[in-house]
Amino acid sequence: GQQVMQIPQYQHVQEGEDFTTYCNSSTTLSNIQWYKQRPGGHPVFLIQLVKSGEVKKQKRLTFQFGEAKKNSSLHITATQTTDVGTYFCAYGSSNTGKLIFGQGTTLQVKP
Amino acid sequence: DTAVSQTPKYLVTQMGNDKSIKCEQNLGHDTMYWYKQDSKKFLKIMFSYNNKELIINETVPNRFSPKSPDKAHLNLHINSLELGDSAVYFCASSSRGIQETQYFGPGTRLLVL
Repeated sequence: GQQVMQIPQYQHVQEGEDFTTYCNSSTTLSNIQWYKQRPGGHPVFLIQLVKSGEVKKQKRLTFQFGEAKKNSSLHITATQTTDVGTYFCAYGSSNTGKLIFGQGTTLQVKP
Repeated sequence: DTAVSQTPKYLVTQMGNDKSIKCEQNLGHDTMYWYKQDSKKFLKIMFSYNNKELIINETVPNRFSPKSPDKAHLNLHINSLELGDSAVYFCASSSRGIQETQYFGPGTRLLVL
């Protein structure tokens, strides 16, 4: 079935460095959602993108949806220890009625 | 006020036992879900209910049986637990469907010995 590939699987950065996670699909996506899961916690919705080329910002987080709507990225500027966690992209498949999650990128931040 | 709550938070049990996990949402949402997260953090949908009606039933062993007594509750009963059932089970809800934000419960960490 349709999948989204998320890379990298893990990323270790020094506090203050930037971080990016990428989500790629072989087919066009109608939308993309991003979630954050803190260690031991549950996924928490961050944002949804629906338009081609859309860019949204939340403080130090920048979310992009590709022009072809086949990829998306989440970029964190100047990471902080509070950014630690696993970031998931997900898309809603109207065909199946399911929200399909990427494998997640786990971010570790060294203080 | 907890939006989506699950009980129990932790569940340790022996192989072959039967156990239930309960979920309640106070958001007034129509759709509820069960997800399984494995040790590699992969999140996979198991079931989805809309207004008490089952709309998604993934390829899940029939030892897993969801029940929705009303649209605010979705419970999961597991018969004859196996080692491979060890995982974190998340309940979630959304206002209409998969295009909407999903609100996750805190999760139930199940360990089968």
